[in-house]
Amino acid sequence: DGGITQSPKYLFRKEGQNVTLSCEQNLNHDAMYWYRQDPGQGLRLIYYSQIVNDFQKGDIAEGYSVSREKKESFPLTVTSAQKNPTAFYLCASRFPSGSGNTGELFFGEGSRLTVL
Amino acid sequence: AQSVTQLDSQVPVFEEAPVELRCNYSSSVSVYLFWYVQYPNQGLQLLLKYLSGSTLVESINGFEAEFNKSQTSFHLRKPSVHISDTAEYFCAFTTSGTYKYIFGTGTRLKVLA
Repeated sequence: DGGITQSPKYLFRKEGQNVTLSCEQNLNHDAMYWYRQDPGQGLRLIYYSQIVNDFQKGDIAEGYSVSREKKESFPLTVTSAQKNPTAFYLCASRFPSGSGNTGELFFGEGSRLTVL
Repeated sequence: AQSVTQLDSQVPVFEEAPVELRCNYSSSVSVYLFWYVQYPNQGLQLLLKYLSGSTLVESINGFEAEFNKSQTSFHLRKPSVHISDTAEYFCAFTTSGTYKYIFGTGTRLKVLA
């Protein structure tokens, strides 16, 4: 079955450590996204990528980094510079506009990061 | 600025009663509208979407939403809710030619027995 796989589901980290969240999709989508979700704040965009080897900052990119070396993969690194990293992180993807795109985002199951 | 407003952060309702979750958006250009549902510690699942055509859209599990351009609204309704509908619901939109999606802050629907 096609879908988006995020790992790990739960992650604990000590302050000052970097951590990388994995996101893999087999939907053949070009565009991929990372969102952060906090209670009562909805989804906030961290980074997005339209094609391989290209990505753009979202609204809250500070303290995060990404790479897009393969179409299927869009890992997110939460660095020690992120002041408040404890959150639920969601990866999503979609077709690019104008290529049969129906418009919606497809989401992974999420990764919950807790900083101790 | 583009935005989505979900005025109700929590909506309690008894089982088999009707429910309406409100969504208003702000955009100067035409929008594509979505409702997503999220169960605890899971990702978002698409419930229904409006891209064009009929302003009333329906999901396979009894939800419907109506696009009202003059009121810039896309309210979600269900005539009879079940316990299993307890979840958080997000309204969102995007516009043509952009990769950005604007999400509301969510409405937590709690169905009571």
